Amino acid sequence: EPEVTQTPSHQVTQMGQEVILRCVPISNHLYFYWYRQILGQKVEFLVSFYNNEISEKSEIFDDQFSVERPDGSNFTLKIRSTKLEDSAMYFCASSDTPGRNTEAFFGQGTRLTVV
Amino acid sequence: DAKTTQPPSMDCAEGRAANLPCNHSTISGNEYVYWYRQIHSQGPQYIIHGLKNNETNEMASLIITEDRKSSTLILPHATLRDTAVYYCIVNAGNNRKLIWGLGTSLAVNP
Repeated sequence: EPEVTQTPSHQVTQMGQEVILRCVPISNHLYFYWYRQILGQKVEFLVSFYNNEISEKSEIFDDQFSVERPDGSNFTLKIRSTKLEDSAMYFCASSDTPGRNTEAFFGQGTRLTVV
Repeated sequence: DAKTTQPPSMDCAEGRAANLPCNHSTISGNEYVYWYRQIHSQGPQYIIHGLKNNETNEMASLIITEDRKSSTLILPHATLRDTAVYYCIVNAGNNRKLIWGLGTSLAVNP
């Protein structure tokens, strides 16, 4: 069964450093998402991406965050200058054809720890 | 997107049916009811979704009331591996963002 893969599974970084979280969505999907979940809290939407541009973003997704689809397979989330409060699980997801009410498929997440 | 209300936790005996309720009294006519689950901080997993008719797949059944203000997810024969947090999400579909609540933490007991 096709799946969304995320790397690394765990990333430790120092405050102020840049991190890039990587995702390989399901190959024929066209919509891509990033969500995050701070330990013990709700899953929160960060950003959605379609047709090589951001289609929607939340208040969390400020100027420190950016997304990119550098080639035909990868989808990345960059945090320019990490803060302690960026520590969380980050989930990438992808979904199918626009206009259909299909489900989103999630990766297993990257646990980001900012120290 | 409409808000949903779910009980914070439920227990179920292994092999029995688990019935997880969800209230979504402010649901709009074009909004679907989606169910996802999250096993121990893994990535969320899609279970099922529906608009107004009841739905069944290999994982579960979804029963939506006629007025669409509530629904029930049924796991017909719960196993220990079904222990997870179950999220009921109302969403207009078309690949829009999912808005998550706190879900129901289901414990399946041997």
